[in-house]
Amino acid sequence: NAGVTQTPKFQVLKTGQSMTLQCAQDMNHNSMYWYRQDPGMGLRLIYYSASEGTTDKGEVPNGYNVSRLNKREFSLRLESAAPSQTSVYFCASSLFWGNYGYTFGSGTRLTVV
Amino acid sequence: AQSVTQLDSHVSVSEGTPVLLRCNYSSSYSPSLFWYVQHPNKGLQLLLKYTSAATLVKGINGFEAEFKKSETSFHLTKPSAHMSDAAEYFCVVSETGGSYIPTFGRGTSLIVHP
Repeated sequence: NAGVTQTPKFQVLKTGQSMTLQCAQDMNHNSMYWYRQDPGMGLRLIYYSASEGTTDKGEVPNGYNVSRLNKREFSLRLESAAPSQTSVYFCASSLFWGNYGYTFGSGTRLTVV
Repeated sequence: AQSVTQLDSHVSVSEGTPVLLRCNYSSSYSPSLFWYVQHPNKGLQLLLKYTSAATLVKGINGFEAEFKKSETSFHLTKPSAHMSDAAEYFCVVSETGGSYIPTFGRGTSLIVHP
């Protein structure tokens, strides 16, 4: 099915470990996003890529890095995981940057112990 | 600057009764407004969006929302709740002419009783 695919779906890390969350979309969308969702907080933007070749910080970028590998793929890296990064991470995409609705992936549930 | 407030953290209804989920917003520019639904352990799905066309917006699964500029509101309604509507709902605002980075509300959990 067309959409946004995230891997892995679940991950447990020890404090200080690193990992990369993968995201790919097959809708030929130009813009991609990484969000984290915490209970009672809604979704908060970590990083975004308005178009291939560009990335920018969102509301909560500290402790994360991103790579827009190509038009389809946008990865999120945690260099040294901390318990405060325990969250559900969502990747999303939109046709263009602007007021277009997002298509979301199904999420990655990350626990840092 | 923009912000969005979902006025109820939880709404409980009986199956077959109307649904009202309330959302107020503030925006320095002309806003675009969205409602998303999230079923348990799933990603978010776009229900409907307002982008300065008709003020009454119809979405999927029988939901609709009305943009009221004077009240800075964008409430989500459905005439008759179904058990499958039980989910978390998010109101989102994005500024046209601003940064376009959307702000998500904290969510309203809709509980549907048989």
